[in-house]
Amino acid sequence: QQQVKQSPQSLIVQKGGISIINCAYENTAFDYFPWYQQFPGKGPALLIAIRPDVSEKKEGRFTISFNKSAKQFSLHIMDSQPGDSATYFCAASIWFKAAGNKLTFGGGTRVLVKP
Amino acid sequence: DGGITQSPKYLFRKEGQNVTLSCEQNLNHDAMYWYRQDPGQGLRLIYYSQIVNDFQKGDIAEGYSVSREKKESFPLTVTSAQKNPTAFYLCASGTGGASGANVLTFGAGSRLTVL
Repeated sequence: QQQVKQSPQSLIVQKGGISIINCAYENTAFDYFPWYQQFPGKGPALLIAIRPDVSEKKEGRFTISFNKSAKQFSLHIMDSQPGDSATYFCAASIWFKAAGNKLTFGGGTRVLVKP
Repeated sequence: DGGITQSPKYLFRKEGQNVTLSCEQNLNHDAMYWYRQDPGQGLRLIYYSQIVNDFQKGDIAEGYSVSREKKESFPLTVTSAQKNPTAFYLCASGTGGASGANVLTFGAGSRLTVL
């Protein structure tokens, strides 16, 4: 059962444009929502993250918008650059006292920024 | 440099053989994870471990086994019972604290191909 749904699967944007990736979750027990960036042949790396008590977080050209009532969150990449071409994953985390943290990922979005 | 080392990077296996993927970290992290990555399906959690000598099944544990005898090491065995083992396998580690404090660091991955 996929608990985090991500869309679109891929998108193409012109240099300088805005890339928008959306995610929806089902389990209201999730309490931390990170985004990871992955380049081909590499492991993912943390890009930006947000807690559900915050509606927006911005770091440089990357912004997360969070809508707790709708159980949705999105990543906006402003002024997209060719170097941003990568696969982006949203994720949601639950902490279990006995078992530890369980991080569930969305299906990923492949972003291509054209020069 | 601190990080996660996965080996081998590429592995070929005949059907019916067990194979073990190595994961070592020198980040002094408590928690370690194994994910499987298939095209279009994102990262799916196989097993995770919060502390030495304890581990939990993830969402797709069938056909896999792990051990956590040392804090630094979390090897994954892909058994012959795994019906479709060809995939990219990613190991990660984290501090293991409550959600929000547990940023995952990923290795570069191991690509397993069953012939």
